[in-house]
Amino acid sequence: NAGVMQNPRHLVRRRGQEARLRCSPMKGHSHVYWYRQLPEEGLKFMVYLQKENIIDESGMPKERFSAEFPKEGPSILRIQQVVRGDSAAYFCASSRAPYTEAFFGQGTRLTVV
Amino acid sequence: SQQGEEDPQALSIQEGENATMNCSYKTSINNLQWYRQNSGRGLVHLILIRSNEREKHSGRLRVTLDTSKKSSSLLITASRAADTASYFCATDAAGANSKLTFGKGITLSVRP
Repeated sequence: NAGVMQNPRHLVRRRGQEARLRCSPMKGHSHVYWYRQLPEEGLKFMVYLQKENIIDESGMPKERFSAEFPKEGPSILRIQQVVRGDSAAYFCASSRAPYTEAFFGQGTRLTVV
Repeated sequence: SQQGEEDPQALSIQEGENATMNCSYKTSINNLQWYRQNSGRGLVHLILIRSNEREKHSGRLRVTLDTSKKSSSLLITASRAADTASYFCATDAAGANSKLTFGKGITLSVRP
């Protein structure tokens, strides 16, 4: 049973470009969460999705950021017109149901140059 | 707002010793989870303890939860150099969606 798969592991974008981060949850998991981690910091919640629905996006910046979890395929976190401040590690987690163990992927490290 | 706050921020011990890490939180929770993160890597899930549980064991790990004090502790017994990592507690607030709120973590160094 493969774990949570994120790709790419590393992503370099120039300011103004778009970044697309992908997350495939563990088999049997329909709940996906995205978190951002800055150096020497804990993880900050961004968005919680369940198949085709956004449950909670209270941690998402209002502009430039969007997330989806389509019926088929991975969850996508999309950052438009990236700025240097978007440089961080973005982690995806999945769980089988709410309030159960959440398992994390290896993260995507985004660097904006 | 910061829900989970771990202490100490950094801990250095000798291999074979026990390591105790603490976490405090502010609001009522459904459960509390502990994670380990090796430098530059993803988070590894260690253990989940529910709000109606007081203690849980998994191998060399022992987690306690005191909901009256809103605190939890993670004990690693007979530590090994491979336990060197950052440790995070994460809580999900009762009455809210199951998103996790993390503390800033504890850096554990185990000297061989």
